[in-house]
Amino acid sequence: DQQVKQNSPSLSVQEGRISILNCDYTNSMFDYFLWYKKYPAEGPTFLISISSIKDKNEDGRFTVFLNKSAKHLSLHIVPSQPGDSAVYFCAASEVDDYKLSFGAGTTVTVRA
Amino acid sequence: NAGVMQNPRHLVRRRGQEARLRCSPMKGHSHVYWYRQLPEEGLKFMVYLQKENIIDESGMPKERFSAEFPKEGPSILRIQQVVRGDSAAYFCASSPLPGLANKTGELFFGEGSRLTVL
Repeated sequence: DQQVKQNSPSLSVQEGRISILNCDYTNSMFDYFLWYKKYPAEGPTFLISISSIKDKNEDGRFTVFLNKSAKHLSLHIVPSQPGDSAVYFCAASEVDDYKLSFGAGTTVTVRA
Repeated sequence: NAGVMQNPRHLVRRRGQEARLRCSPMKGHSHVYWYRQLPEEGLKFMVYLQKENIIDESGMPKERFSAEFPKEGPSILRIQQVVRGDSAAYFCASSPLPGLANKTGELFFGEGSRLTVL
């Protein structure tokens, strides 16, 4: 039962433009959402998170938006840089839980 | 920079053999989590351990899989009598506090151990 879904397996964007990654979830008990970035042959590294009490969180070039009514979140990367080429995982957890539910990931390729 | 250390990075086993994957958490972290990533899928939670205790193994297959985190030494994920379906990347993560208690997303992942079963 896939509770976190990333329906776009890949995204190609030109350097300097905006990358928008989408994520949908089905579990209404999720209250904390995270994005992880993963390079080949490396482990995921934490990128940005958002609590369900917010609808936006910004950190430098990265902004996460949360739409609870639609059970949807997105990650915006502006401007996109070649070093952003990686797999991005959306993840979520329930209140006071330690288990993360991950999406299948979106591979971002930033073209020069 | 002592991050989460996993070994071996790559492991090849024949069906029926045993696989042992090791994880040393970051210094000062006593909470360890194992996740498995099957091809084309996201990471799936397997087990959560603290020193000498299994806190939650709800994601572990009921048979052939076991995990431990002894008082001394690394955490071990053990797979007995491996089958081809066990081929996956196994990631270990650690945290200084239980789970996401500090709500900063600070689960530190290792580079993973890639198991291939022939």
